[in-house]
Amino acid sequence: DAGVTQSPTHLIKTRGQQVTLRCSPISGHKSVSWYQQVLGQGPQFIFQYYEKEERGRGNFPDRFSARQFPNYSSELNVNALLLGDSALYLCASSLLWGTGELFFGEGSRLTVL
Amino acid sequence: KQEVTQIPAALSVPEGENLVLNCSFTDSAIYNLQWFRQDPGKGLTSLLLIQSSQREQTSGRLNASLDKSSGRSTLYIAASQPGDSATYLCAVSKQTGANNLFFGTGTRLTVIP
Repeated sequence: DAGVTQSPTHLIKTRGQQVTLRCSPISGHKSVSWYQQVLGQGPQFIFQYYEKEERGRGNFPDRFSARQFPNYSSELNVNALLLGDSALYLCASSLLWGTGELFFGEGSRLTVL
Repeated sequence: KQEVTQIPAALSVPEGENLVLNCSFTDSAIYNLQWFRQDPGKGLTSLLLIQSSQREQTSGRLNASLDKSSGRSTLYIAASQPGDSATYLCAVSKQTGANNLFFGTGTRLTVIP
């Protein structure tokens, strides 16, 4: 079975641009979460979606938004990119909301110049 | 706010040695604790999940313990191998069970052949 898949794997943007990152959860998993990992730090929670509804949001500005589609895949959008948005963006899926074990994808490495 | 600390930040051991990684958290009202492995530039691989009602979990050469009341967890790796070299992260989830994990900054392990 395929694990969590994310695209693109790497991308470079300039300040002020917008980016869309995509995630497909493990087949049968209905919850998707997004995390930001800055180099040398642990991941930080951005969003969680379950059954296409936002179920949690971390301490990130409104420039960050996300959505979940009927097939449970998800997109993370970041507008007006800043240098500080450079990070590894990780997507995780779980079978249900709040039942525990998360499975992560390989991440999307975003570099903002 | 939940804070997760991992000590040491880095550890080098000769092959074959047994080792212990430490994780502490400030708020004992957790739903579960999860240990992950992360190779450089890669996503997170789930190693062990301990529910708040459990004291330990084992998988192969790995054993994780949880002392919820004191806010501590340890990951024991037996007979370390060069392939174990990676960053190990612990993460806790809130009492409500939402998939909002709080991560430590990790312990970077190097196993020397």
